[in-house]
Amino acid sequence: RKEVEQDPGPFNVPEGATVAFNCTYSNSASQSFFWYRQDCRKEPKLLMSVYSSGNEDGRFTAQLNRASQYISLLIRDSKLSDSATYLCVVTPGYSSASKIIFGSGTRLSIRP
Amino acid sequence: GAVVSQHPSRVICKSGTSVKIECRSLDFQATTMFWYRQFPKKSLMLMATSNEGSKATYEQGVEKDKFLINHASLTLSTLTVTSAHPEDSSFYICSARANSRSVRDSPLHFGNGTRLTVT
Repeated sequence: RKEVEQDPGPFNVPEGATVAFNCTYSNSASQSFFWYRQDCRKEPKLLMSVYSSGNEDGRFTAQLNRASQYISLLIRDSKLSDSATYLCVVTPGYSSASKIIFGSGTRLSIRP
Repeated sequence: GAVVSQHPSRVICKSGTSVKIECRSLDFQATTMFWYRQFPKKSLMLMATSNEGSKATYEQGVEKDKFLINHASLTLSTLTVTSAHPEDSSFYICSARANSRSVRDSPLHFGNGTRLTVT
């Protein structure tokens, strides 16, 4: 089993729709979780951190479910510019030197 | 603005030559930096963890003599692809995060990547 797994997609949804995807992780001791966004042929950019209490940033909501070992990303009122690959990132430890584990990414395509 | 600068952004070289890629943290110190490579439509693959003042830690299957890493200061790590071959053609990305007690306080920031083409 992979340490971090994501549905590769692609998710193809109309503009304005709400879309959600999950990321599961195998290490129950994982401590930090993030969502990154990567546009084609570009570097990943931090979208948001994921906290135990869940967090929201505009149209984006991230949640953590420790019991089931997954994190989720919800995008409301999707825009064409949301089309990208969304990477789930999990860090097993607290230290800034801790290894970082990436999911393989979920491709999202928003159509007009 | 960019907090991690990677240079060059694009390089084309002949087979057998060596290519050096630089990764700089611009406004923070990073004891640890990470080097990834990514093939088209594939996920990021961690190649090695660069540690300031000590040897890099390579992932399984990554040749340390092929991909030389030097992390001479708290703001600079370099990756040298030695004796490059066409199969080394890829997108190489570095990342760094500020030294901090907590990972949550210092998310990972990426350089803008280097697209290497070996002819």
